[in-house]
Amino acid sequence: DIVMTQSPASLAVSLGERATINCKSSQSVLYSSNNKNYLAWYQQKPGQSPKLLIYWASTRESGVPDRFSGSGSGTDFTLTISSLQAEDVAVYYCQQYYSTPITFGQGTRLEIK
Amino acid sequence: QVQLVESGGGVVQPGGSLRLSCAASGFTFSNYGMHWVRQAPGKGLEWVTFIQYDGSNKYYADSVKGRFTISRDNSKNTLYLQINSLRAEDTAVYYCAKCDGYYSPRYYYMDVWGKGTTVTVSS
Repeated sequence: DIVMTQSPASLAVSLGERATINCKSSQSVLYSSNNKNYLAWYQQKPGQSPKLLIYWASTRESGVPDRFSGSGSGTDFTLTISSLQAEDVAVYYCQQYYSTPITFGQGTRLEIK
Repeated sequence: QVQLVESGGGVVQPGGSLRLSCAASGFTFSNYGMHWVRQAPGKGLEWVTFIQYDGSNKYYADSVKGRFTISRDNSKNTLYLQINSLRAEDTAVYYCAKCDGYYSPRYYYMDVWGKGTTVTVSS
């Protein structure tokens, strides 16, 4: 199984500041035949179901604000929120869909400082 | 708009069974694979199972293999999860989620999620 490890487990950032969440996979999720990273990011606000933010490691889902961006390749990935807004308070998960079982990181709780 | 509505959750004794349903609308259900994902109270997300758009391929997490069965009825736009031999550790919110892969035999990320249905296993 591919183990997804996120860091930090929790993060407090001031409004308007940058938030960075890291995700490391235990093996590469880069599929060589199409050069795509099989990595997605989700946001889960309190009491809500998860919402897709980023797929293919860096493609923003339609309707997601452009302050959210994804980067990385192979085994190391980053979700960046360029200017934190109050509505971004949530738990963020990375996920690999390179192979089954599909696995998620343990989540990063993002709060306002 | 695209919508997924789960139902069928409840309180069940250990060893019991349940069938969860997920009613899909707003998209051509028969063209997309579907996932079930669960979340235990206060915990993270755990992928449970995936079914291909036509039901011909299915994948399961080891933790549920042999006890859970995913199926779909494309004529009714409905996804199912039959859960047998329930254990305390199966207590969770169960989400169905649409897979973003048009007519694809492969599993991808989840682009639409339902609100979930709660399964509680308790004596």
